[in-house]
Amino acid sequence: GAGVSQSPSNKVTEKGKDVELRCDPISGHTALYWYRQRLGQGLEFLIYFQGNSAPDKSGLPSDRFSAERTGESVSTLTIQRTQQEDSAVYLCASSLAIAGGENEQFFGPGTRLTVL
Amino acid sequence: GNSVTQMEGPVTLSEEAFLTINCTYTATGYPSLFWYVQYPGEGLQLLLKATKADDKGSNKGFEATYRKETTSFHLEKGSVQVSDSAVYFCALSNFGNEKLTFGTGTRLTIIP
Repeated sequence: GAGVSQSPSNKVTEKGKDVELRCDPISGHTALYWYRQRLGQGLEFLIYFQGNSAPDKSGLPSDRFSAERTGESVSTLTIQRTQQEDSAVYLCASSLAIAGGENEQFFGPGTRLTVL
Repeated sequence: GNSVTQMEGPVTLSEEAFLTINCTYTATGYPSLFWYVQYPGEGLQLLLKATKADDKGSNKGFEATYRKETTSFHLEKGSVQVSDSAVYFCALSNFGNEKLTFGTGTRLTIIP
């Protein structure tokens, strides 16, 4: 079946503009995660959805970042007033979330965001 | 808080060499431990995992043993192939907290 998909694959924007990144998880996966990877660094957790609720938003770096999920499916990560330090690859993952801490997370190909 | 420290790369080996990529962690409680791999042009995928102390995860000839006493989860393979060239990430998650905490990744290149 289809894996996790993300769009766009690449996004170049000017500082101060807003961007929306989309994630389509694997059908039936109730858990969805956003991570980002800045150059030369590991993946940083941003936010976790269980269904349409976000019980853990602890990784969102500022109030310029927000995310929503609808229909227990598609999720959108929005970054307002982008800054150059927001440049990174944004990765989405989904899982069945059957048992805490042991679920395989399936990752999408990522969106590479470049803020000029 | 949780953290993962893994061997700095890049690592370059000849085909059929022995591979070790070190990974140590700091976590509360008893985390589950993972190795993820990212092949060129592909997304991250799970390579292996271990959920409790002394468990050994294995896949595709790779192995890692969950060592609670040394808080380590080193990745090993006895004879690497060119197709193993990729970036390898060590990660952990706590029971009841689904998010993964990743190391910085180790780029491995195998030359024929």
